[in-house]
Amino acid sequence: QKEVEQDPGPLSVPEGAIVSLNCTYSNSAFQYFMWYRQYSRKGPELLMYTYSSGNKEDGRFTAQVDKSSKYISLFIRDSQPSDSATYLCAHTSGGTSYGKLTFGQGTILTVHP
Amino acid sequence: DAGVIQSPRHEVTEMGQEVTLRCKPISGHNSLFWYRQTMMRGLELLIYFNNNVPIDDSGMPEDRFSAKMPNASFSTLKIQPSEPRDSAVYFCASTPEEKGNSPLHFGNGTRLTVT
Repeated sequence: QKEVEQDPGPLSVPEGAIVSLNCTYSNSAFQYFMWYRQYSRKGPELLMYTYSSGNKEDGRFTAQVDKSSKYISLFIRDSQPSDSATYLCAHTSGGTSYGKLTFGQGTILTVHP
Repeated sequence: DAGVIQSPRHEVTEMGQEVTLRCKPISGHNSLFWYRQTMMRGLELLIYFNNNVPIDDSGMPEDRFSAKMPNASFSTLKIQPSEPRDSAVYFCASTPEEKGNSPLHFGNGTRLTVT
């Protein structure tokens, strides 16, 4: 079993739709959870990070962590064509290196006008 | 802030040749990471440095891979000899500190093709 499981999609939605992206993980030691966005031919960029269970909101983006079920989600409201990218969930156990991340496979999202 | 700078952006080489990838981290960042991205395996950590010292190289696939960080502003990842299965996008990333909640800043990668 992979440490992080993420549905690669692809996911195609119309502009304005609510998008739900999900990951599951197996290692309870993971404490920090992140979502990265990667545009084509670019490096990943951090969208959001959370430490504990619960929700964290930033504009149109909401990250949700459920440690009891080892499940994390990213919701995008009012999706825009500019949101078209690959979304990667990532985790780290923290404590030692915040940059030593375990990534999911990534979900390819296309938002069409 | 120029961000993390990687060179070259693209590299095409023949099997058996030596390949050197270069990275300049963001000034002031003291942790540097090399990741590799493939369709099959996604993004994987190869090695990381803290204050120019290699901390964890457990992700380096084979002895053909080596990485150095001679100073705070430069790192190399070398593959010798290269093989077709090394074809991937190699990312360098840096962060201001090893611990804490500072985000990882990625470069735009080097796309390596080994024929």
